[in-house]
Amino acid sequence: DAGVIQSPRHEVTEMGQEVTLRCKPISGHDYLFWYRQTMMRGLELLIYFNNNVPIDDSGMPEDRFSAKMPNASFSTLKIQPSEPRDSAVYFCASSLRGNGYNEQFFGPGTRLTVL
Amino acid sequence: RKEVEQDPGPFNVPEGATVAFNCTYSNSASQSFFWYRQDCRKEPKLLMSVYSSGNEDGRFTAQLNRASQYISLLIRDSKLSDSATYLCVVKTDSWGKLQFGAGTQVVVTP
Repeated sequence: DAGVIQSPRHEVTEMGQEVTLRCKPISGHDYLFWYRQTMMRGLELLIYFNNNVPIDDSGMPEDRFSAKMPNASFSTLKIQPSEPRDSAVYFCASSLRGNGYNEQFFGPGTRLTVL
Repeated sequence: RKEVEQDPGPFNVPEGATVAFNCTYSNSASQSFFWYRQDCRKEPKLLMSVYSSGNEDGRFTAQLNRASQYISLLIRDSKLSDSATYLCVVKTDSWGKLQFGAGTQVVVTP
């Protein structure tokens, strides 16, 4: 079975440009999470969805960040305009709620560098 | 104060030795607990859940102390392949939201 798929795997862009990260969760999973990981701050939850509906976006750093989940098999995280401090690895994860146990399966991540 | 705190390490461990480390969490209402493993430049993966009575999975033993709000992980007979960062993870709500610690780095040496 395919795991969580993210694209692109690497992105290098210049400050001020728009960046769009994409995620395809594991088929059948009803939760989708976006995380950001840096050396300084570790793994931070940005936003998560349940059945395509955003549940908690309190981790989104500012209005430059937005996320959508138009259907159960696709989500995007957009940064506009991007800044050098946005450089990080962005992970998407999905899980299936059941029996109170929610193992999250992570994608390979998108390594973003903003120059 | 961070919700989940870990000693960043690194813990340098000779092959075959035992290593143990803890993490503490601040939310007494936390519901579930896990250890995830993250290899260098890879994604985190679930290592094991942590049950109230303690549990083992092969060479790995996890313990939970709710009164003192800490979780521990012990690795016996360390292998070179155990070198990784171990993330302490706490589930804080019924939706499945997880709080990750910053990780403890373990380096197993020949």
